[in-house]
Amino acid sequence: RKEVEQDPGPFNVPEGATVAFNCTYSNSASQSFFWYRQDCRKEPKLLMSVYSSGNEDGRFTAQLNRASQYISLLIRDSKLSDSATYLCVVIRGTGRRALTFGSGTRLQVQP
Amino acid sequence: GAGVSQSPSNKVTEKGKDVELRCDPISGHTALYWYRQRLGQGLEFLIYFQGNSAPDKSGLPSDRFSAERTGESVSTLTIQRTQQEDSAVYLCASSFQVNEQFFGPGTRLTVL
Repeated sequence: RKEVEQDPGPFNVPEGATVAFNCTYSNSASQSFFWYRQDCRKEPKLLMSVYSSGNEDGRFTAQLNRASQYISLLIRDSKLSDSATYLCVVIRGTGRRALTFGSGTRLQVQP
Repeated sequence: GAGVSQSPSNKVTEKGKDVELRCDPISGHTALYWYRQRLGQGLEFLIYFQGNSAPDKSGLPSDRFSAERTGESVSTLTIQRTQQEDSAVYLCASSFQVNEQFFGPGTRLTVL
């Protein structure tokens, strides 16, 4: 089983739609969680951190469920510019401070 | 300010040749990471440098891969006797706060 798993998609949604992605992780010692965004043929960029209490940044809401070991990303009022691959990222609680990336979920927002 | 830079941006080489990839991290960032991303795949951790500590090389796929970093500056990733399966984008990232990594644009390596 992969340490971090995501549905690869693609998720094809119309502009204005609300879309949600989940990501599951297997290591219960994981302590830090993030969503990165990667545009086609570009490097990943941090979208937002994920806090235990949940957090919101404009149209984006991130949630963490430690009991079930998953994190989620909700995008409201989708824009064409939201089309990208969204990478779930987990840092292990101990040892090397390296991020473990999910394979990503591809989102395509259509006009 | 300047972000993470990598060179070359593209590298085409013949099977069996050695290649060297360079990463210039953001000034002041103590941590530096190398990742590999094959086409359509997620990121694969290769190696991690943190200050003057011994690097974490646990992600290097074979002894053909090695990396060095001088202090808290430039890092080079060397692949010896390249194979076709080494073809990928090699991404470097640096961080000061451990929680946010800043990525360079990557080096696209093609082994013919």
